[in-house]
Amino acid sequence: GAGVSQTPSNKVTEKGKYVELRCDPISGHTALYWYRQSLGQGPEFLIYFQGTGAADDSGLPNDRFFAVRPEGSVSTLKIQRTERGDSAVYLCASSLVSGYNSPLHFGNGTRLTVT
Amino acid sequence: AQTVTQSQPEMSVQEAETVTLSCTYDTSENNYYLFWYKQPPSRQMILVIRQEAYKQQNATENRFSVNFQKAAKSFSLKISDSQLGDTAMYFCAFIHISGNTPLVFGKGTRLSVIA
Repeated sequence: GAGVSQTPSNKVTEKGKYVELRCDPISGHTALYWYRQSLGQGPEFLIYFQGTGAADDSGLPNDRFFAVRPEGSVSTLKIQRTERGDSAVYLCASSLVSGYNSPLHFGNGTRLTVT
Repeated sequence: AQTVTQSQPEMSVQEAETVTLSCTYDTSENNYYLFWYKQPPSRQMILVIRQEAYKQQNATENRFSVNFQKAAKSFSLKISDSQLGDTAMYFCAFIHISGNTPLVFGKGTRLSVIA
């Protein structure tokens, strides 16, 4: 498909487990963003990549959260020792380049439930 | 830091009527972009309309228009001739023109269009 793809669509895991969430951006898009959307809230910024490097990771809540984009395309958000408070929808977006004038294209998100 | 406030958690409108969603923001910057995004149950964020702060003319996109009041830091969305497919969460968002800070979202307004 031509859009941003996120897998899995839904993930249920037990407290304390490790999870990986995957994002396939639109081909050719150099900027990739991760947002977290808790119930009843707007999306909150986590991290963004320009190419392979994390240009801004100031939104990651703590060191249990980590994200990579080794080849400048697919990105994986990794959460260690999951907690119930991590339950949320994790949204990925990509844009042609970073910056205000390059619209963000969002995926359908991964709904993470930590039991 | 920039903040975006949406003071209406929920709104409803009759089909074919007009509805206005409110948004205010706080920033010390002079050059920025404002956006309205729609999020249907599919969870995908869809760009509805955007406004450049340096433009005095209000943006319009078919049935969607904005009332941008820069001095008041207000950015409301007007939906004319409401359709059932407009039922969704609507998020107001802000980004500084440098693009060095991430897109910041409000908490959203849930809009229901009633037949």
